[in-house]
Amino acid sequence: SAVISQKPSRDICQRGTSLTIQCQVDSQVTMMFWYRQQPGQSLTLIATANQGSEATYESGFVIDKFPISRPNLTFSTLTVSNMSPEDSSIYLCSVETRSYGYTFGSGTRLTVV
Amino acid sequence: GESVGLHLPTLSVQEGDNSIINCAYSNSASDYFIWYKQESGKGPQFIIDIRSNMDKRQGQRVTVLLNKTVKHLSLQIAATQPGDSAVYFCAENIDQAGTALIFGKGTTLSVSS
Repeated sequence: SAVISQKPSRDICQRGTSLTIQCQVDSQVTMMFWYRQQPGQSLTLIATANQGSEATYESGFVIDKFPISRPNLTFSTLTVSNMSPEDSSIYLCSVETRSYGYTFGSGTRLTVV
Repeated sequence: GESVGLHLPTLSVQEGDNSIINCAYSNSASDYFIWYKQESGKGPQFIIDIRSNMDKRQGQRVTVLLNKTVKHLSLQIAATQPGDSAVYFCAENIDQAGTALIFGKGTTLSVSS
């Protein structure tokens, strides 16, 4: 499958600060997807990131809170801005490739204190 | 929107038993379905997929059944092993390149020796 490197794997952050999560893929992909997984819950799609255009956000998620960059076909970042304890979750990136279908990174476990 | 409702949040089985995990989906336009396994601290791992032109697909020790009439999906695991203990999610989408997966709520499978 496509290999996804996601960093950091975990972090503990102070409320009011921001964290940028990086997602690096070992092959060029058109679309990258960002998900949030709250404790004990399923994955919820935050946004879809297409290289060269603004990300498309799902209902309940806004660009000011979760800005996304997609500078090239192998890399994306998700920033969680002005964090509160409610933002404590696992954040995952995912890609779709023709050969391997959908692949997920191992996630970033964020705790906001 | 959120799909998939009817499921058991936890399933406990004995080693060697067969396990059946169920999932209902709400979008009748969905035509591609995937089962994922998620172990603690890891991202979802692909188990098996099925397209809507099929009603059954078998892998190694796993079988997925699709009933489009009642919008129901199931995952059968034969001879369940302790290593199968994890959270299982079904996911769906419209089988077009660049569309994100929508995840169901998940079932925690516990296998005791």
